[in-house]
Amino acid sequence: KAGVTQTPRYLIKTRGQQVTLSCSPISGHRSVSWYQQTPGQGLQFLFEYFSETQRNKGNFPGRFSGRQFSNSRSEMNVSTLELGDSALYLCASSWGAGGPTEAFFGQGTRLTVV
Amino acid sequence: EDQVTQSPEALRLQEGESSSLNCSYTVSGLRGLFWYRQDPGKGPEFLFTLYSAGEEKEKERLKATLTKKESFLHITAPKPEDSATYLCAVQAMDSNYQLIWGAGTKLIIKP
Repeated sequence: KAGVTQTPRYLIKTRGQQVTLSCSPISGHRSVSWYQQTPGQGLQFLFEYFSETQRNKGNFPGRFSGRQFSNSRSEMNVSTLELGDSALYLCASSWGAGGPTEAFFGQGTRLTVV
Repeated sequence: EDQVTQSPEALRLQEGESSSLNCSYTVSGLRGLFWYRQDPGKGPEFLFTLYSAGEEKEKERLKATLTKKESFLHITAPKPEDSATYLCAVQAMDSNYQLIWGAGTKLIIKP
């Protein structure tokens, strides 16, 4: 069974630009969560989508947004990039309902803002 | 407020030296507790789910246990390849399925 796929794996962007990251969840999973991880830091929760609706949201500025499509694939967008947005962005998919739901992670997208 | 605390922050062991990592949590009602392993630059890898106090799960040299306030990840006779950051997360009954994460324990096994 295919795992969680994130594209692209690496990105270099300039300050002020915008970027879109993509996540394809495990087949059948309806929940996709996004996290930011900087060196030496834990996982910082961005937001979670379940059945195309944002169900949970972390404490990030409005420059960070996301969406989920009917096939559960999700995209995350960051506008007006800042140097501090350089990080590993991780997406995780899960069933999202019906009991404890393990999250399975992709390999991440490494974003560098210069 | 739901909270997860992991200790120690870092742990250095000699190969073969067994030890335990701690994850203490405060939630109104536990739906599940999860352990993950993360290697540098990669996404976390799922290890275990624990649902209720008294439950235990094992995988190779790892054994996870759960009480009403904390979970332990016991590592028996570790090898250098067990070196990684171990993350704990909890899901509360009233959390809308959101995971609350600990900061992790960085484990280094020296040969």
